Amino acid sequence: KQEVTQIPAALSVPEGENLVLNCSFTDSAIYNLQWFRQDPGKGLTSLLLIQSSQREQTSGRLNASLDKSSGRSTLYIAASQPGDSATYLCAVYSSASKIIFGSGTRLSIRP
Amino acid sequence: EAQVTQNPRYLITVTGKKLTVTCSQNMNHEYMSWYRQDPGLGLRQIYYSMNVEVTDKGDVPEGYKVSRKEKRNFPLILESPSPNQTSLYFCASTPRTGLEYEQYFGPGTRLTVT
Repeated sequence: KQEVTQIPAALSVPEGENLVLNCSFTDSAIYNLQWFRQDPGKGLTSLLLIQSSQREQTSGRLNASLDKSSGRSTLYIAASQPGDSATYLCAVYSSASKIIFGSGTRLSIRP
Repeated sequence: EAQVTQNPRYLITVTGKKLTVTCSQNMNHEYMSWYRQDPGLGLRQIYYSMNVEVTDKGDVPEGYKVSRKEKRNFPLILESPSPNQTSLYFCASTPRTGLEYEQYFGPGTRLTVT
């Protein structure tokens, strides 16, 4: 059974720092991996989708990588800003119909 | 505007009183699903639908029903709600099955069952 883990559960860094969020999964037979952002009490905003044939995707200050063989994905945030404070979730598309979410990393950027 | 809508956004009800949470998407997506989000447990899939009249159980289907009579709508039905169904619920849709495409999420429905 696919399990998705995000470590750390919470992270606080000063503004301007570059940071990396981690997502690991136990079964490397995945279709895609998607990173989301969730603000408190709000819905999920898609950040990046990495298809199984890709190794990374970039959008602005965000870069997501995928290493299926090692069961890992990272989300790199450059030059962090207070507005980046949110919970970041990764979701693994484990089969034609199963999507498994990690429990998220709560990120806080200190001004 | 392309979107997934859910209603109601907030609901407080009592144990045993049947309720329906509606979900609608205007993007002609084939795949729709329901999730619940609980502290420490993340998002868990309740039910999904690959197309009209095609539905299947996710990881936590007990106590829920769904229907997919039209492509755009995917209501979640709680026949006899219980306090352990107090949660934040999300509906999501994807253009096709096979999960080659990203998911689009609704704004969420916060349900409290007393």
